[in-house]
Amino acid sequence: AQSVTQLGSHVSVSEGALVLLRCNYSSSVPPYLFWYVQYPNQGLQLLLKYTTGATLVKGINGFEAEFKKSETSFHLTKPSAHMSDAAEYFCAVSERNQAGTALIFGKGTTLSVSS
Amino acid sequence: GAVVSQHPSWVICKSGTSVKIECRSLDFQATTMFWYRQFPKQSLMLMATSNEGSKATYEQGVEKDKFLINHASLTLSTLTVTSAHPEDSSFYICSARQGGGPNQPQHFGDGTRLSIL
Repeated sequence: AQSVTQLGSHVSVSEGALVLLRCNYSSSVPPYLFWYVQYPNQGLQLLLKYTTGATLVKGINGFEAEFKKSETSFHLTKPSAHMSDAAEYFCAVSERNQAGTALIFGKGTTLSVSS
Repeated sequence: GAVVSQHPSWVICKSGTSVKIECRSLDFQATTMFWYRQFPKQSLMLMATSNEGSKATYEQGVEKDKFLINHASLTLSTLTVTSAHPEDSSFYICSARQGGGPNQPQHFGDGTRLSIL
């Protein structure tokens, strides 16, 4: 079974600083990887995804992630944090199950941004 | 595009009551819908996968008689928590996917907070 590990349950940065949220996956097949953001009491919003092709993926709100097969990583970055980026971030991998495929999530990382 | 509407957003009810949660894809046809459960400060746990017109496939440990899932159309899936008890209190989130491929993203509703007294 595939799995996702998010290192660091809580990351704190200052406004304007670099954001780095770590995600490692385990998969015996080429993975499909996703990053989602969740604001309090809301569902999840897709930030970006990697399927095939270019390993550097750009998403919404200035976020990007790089797929590194050799490191089995898919870390999320943003050059300059904004207060509105404070939220819960989930990395996910698409896994095949009895019904087809479904997303399996990491435990999430809470991003705090201070002024 | 790709909007998923979930209703209600908050439910408070007495123990023993059955509660139905609706999940609708508003601007696309969802061949597959998913139901997740999220405990405070934790990740999403997949409960079941539902393909339109088929019986839902439940994850190990999820009681199918407790959590009834219906996916009767390409735009609507429902989750019914039968005879709910306080331990069923949680945040339930649905998601929908337009195609069946693993590279297709899932689009999420805003969740339903269920509180059983």
